[in-house]
Parts: sequence; C-alpha cells; structure tokens
Amino acid sequence: QVQLVESGGEVKKPGASVKVSCQASGYTFTSYGVSWVRQAPGQGLEWMGWISAYNGNTDYAQKFQGRVTMTRDTSTSTVYMELRSLRSDDTALYYCARDISTGWLGYLDQWGQGTLVTVSS
Amino acid sequence: EVLLTQSPGTLSLSPGDRATLSCRASQSVGTSLAWYQQKGGQAPRLLIYDTSTRATGTPARFSGSGSGTDFTLSISSLEPEDFAVYYCQQRSSWPPGITFGPGTRLEVK
Repeated sequence: QVQLVESGGEVKKPGASVKVSCQASGYTFTSYGVSWVRQAPGQGLEWMGWISAYNGNTDYAQKFQGRVTMTRDTSTSTVYMELRSLRSDDTALYYCARDISTGWLGYLDQWGQGTLVTVSS
Repeated sequence: EVLLTQSPGTLSLSPGDRATLSCRASQSVGTSLAWYQQKGGQAPRLLIYDTSTRATGTPARFSGSGSGTDFTLSISSLEPEDFAVYYCQQRSSWPPGITFGPGTRLEVK
C-alpha cells in the first residue's frame, strides 16, 4: 500500500534551519508530485509548496519563497523540505502529501504522519 | 491569491442528522475544489475533489456540489465517525498552488 513516512520530530533554535524527509513506498515514486503542508498547533492547514518527483521541478507558496527548498532523491524515493531562518511561528506539524494524479493536479490523496518541528530558544 | 471562507465555524448535530457545510471563494475557482476530513491527531483525508468526485474509499453519504465561488459538502446521515474538522481546498494550475479554508468543526450535539 502507499506509504509516506516522515522523519522524526525536531527542536530548533530561532534562526536555525531544519530539513525534514519523507520516504515514499508502494507506488512508482517518479510518477507523482509531493506537496508539503504544515499545521501550527490548534490551527488550520497551510500549503508550502510542491516538488515533481519526476524532474525535481518545484513551486513554492509566495510566503515561503527564499526560505524553503524542496528536493528529492529518486534512488531512495525520498523528498526533502528544508526551511531556513526559523522563527517561533514556524512551530508546526509538517506533512508531506502525494498528489492524486501524475504531474500536478493539486489534490492530495496520500499523507505522511507528520513531523513536529518545534522552534524555541 | 484566492481566499476561502468556511461556514459555520462549528456545527453541532446528532448522529443521523444531515450536515451541510459551506465554502466560499474570493474569486471563481471553477470546479477546482476539494474537501478533506481531519480527525484529532491524524493527517487530513481527501474526501471529495473537483467539487463532486468522491475519492477512493469515501462513503456515498458524502457529496459535494457548487461551482464558481460557492460550494457545499453534504453528509446525508451522520455516522459517529463523521465528527471531525472539515477543510475545503482550492487548487490553481498556473502557477501551481493550493489554498485551504479555515475549517468547520463538526461536533456532537
């Protein structure tokens, strides 16, 4: 079955960077794009951006432009999300989620379990 | 940027009731709208996409309708497992992007 397994939780200081991984299994990795969505404690969902697992093309939400980088490693079926210059309001559960279709459709039908990133001095 | 609003913020109903959740977009999104269900401590689950297409595994009691700026998720007869938070989501093709609504909490009355 399709699975997206994210790396473990992280605690970072303000100004630091964090890199979260998401390993996919159960499907042809390069056939689907992956989005990153975050959820602050008790809050709603916020889309951060998308990466094509096929060619590595990315599109980032304007809010995160210049502060986020998404990459992928086809040899391990893993996508990565790095967020820099962390602030306390970046404290959130970070999800990776697979697009429902090959390429970009923008609906997310498979989700990881989420990785908690805590930013605190 | 398209903004989504959802109403009501909280809906209190009983099992067996019919639920109607609304989502309004700040500009037309055509039929490019989805609905997700999120239960406590879990990742969101895609229920409906393209306004009215049920995702794999979505029970038939869930239905979606609307177009342009006004959309509705209906649950014909609430089951105990349906009490959760529901988010609407719009997508854009170019540039690629996704926006979520703030959510509606469906709670037991």
